Amino acid sequence: GENVEQHPSTLSVQEGDSAVIKCTYSDSASNYFPWYKQELGKRPQLIIDIRSNVGEKKDQRIAVTLNKTAKHFSLHITETQPEDSAVYFCAAIPADQAGTALIFGKGTTLSVSS
Amino acid sequence: EAQVTQNPRYLITVTGKKLTVTCSQNMNHEYMSWYRQDPGLGLRQIYYSMNVEVTDKGDVPEGYKVSRKEKRNFPLILESPSPNQTSLYFCASSLSRTGVEQYFGPGTRLTVT
Repeated sequence: GENVEQHPSTLSVQEGDSAVIKCTYSDSASNYFPWYKQELGKRPQLIIDIRSNVGEKKDQRIAVTLNKTAKHFSLHITETQPEDSAVYFCAAIPADQAGTALIFGKGTTLSVSS
Repeated sequence: EAQVTQNPRYLITVTGKKLTVTCSQNMNHEYMSWYRQDPGLGLRQIYYSMNVEVTDKGDVPEGYKVSRKEKRNFPLILESPSPNQTSLYFCASSLSRTGVEQYFGPGTRLTVT
């Protein structure tokens, strides 16, 4: 089955710096890769996702890149702000195969200090 | 308002006492799922359902049951809870049967003593 590895487990940056979180996956059939943000005491919220037919997707200060050959994808946050502090989870699933489970990485705790 | 709801939000119980955590969505979503979240282990899928009367095991199904008799509801049942099931539980739903773009409920904090 699918296995998703996420690094680093913790990341501390200064406000205004960029942050990068990386994930690798094992199942070459996986083709949908979402990223979730979970603030303290809150539910995970989908912030961006990418499918395997594109290599990069941007939404304001957030971008995700995908390297299918190497089986890894990354979340990039530019101009970080204190409100970006949260736990971020990556995940993978073969989206054209109904009946498979979404597998999450173990999470990255991002701390942005002002 | 489009939402996923869970009840109860907090529950303290004793070993062996059957309990049910309810999950409901009002978005006519096909796919529903249960996760547990534990420190250092991230989110792990327990069970999921692509449609009414269709359920499948996720990563950690042992000790749990689910049912999908109606499209909007997906209860999680612990027949004989044990302390290792103490966790934070999230229900999620997706418009697509493949489970993309899942939206999470507020969570249920369960403690089994």
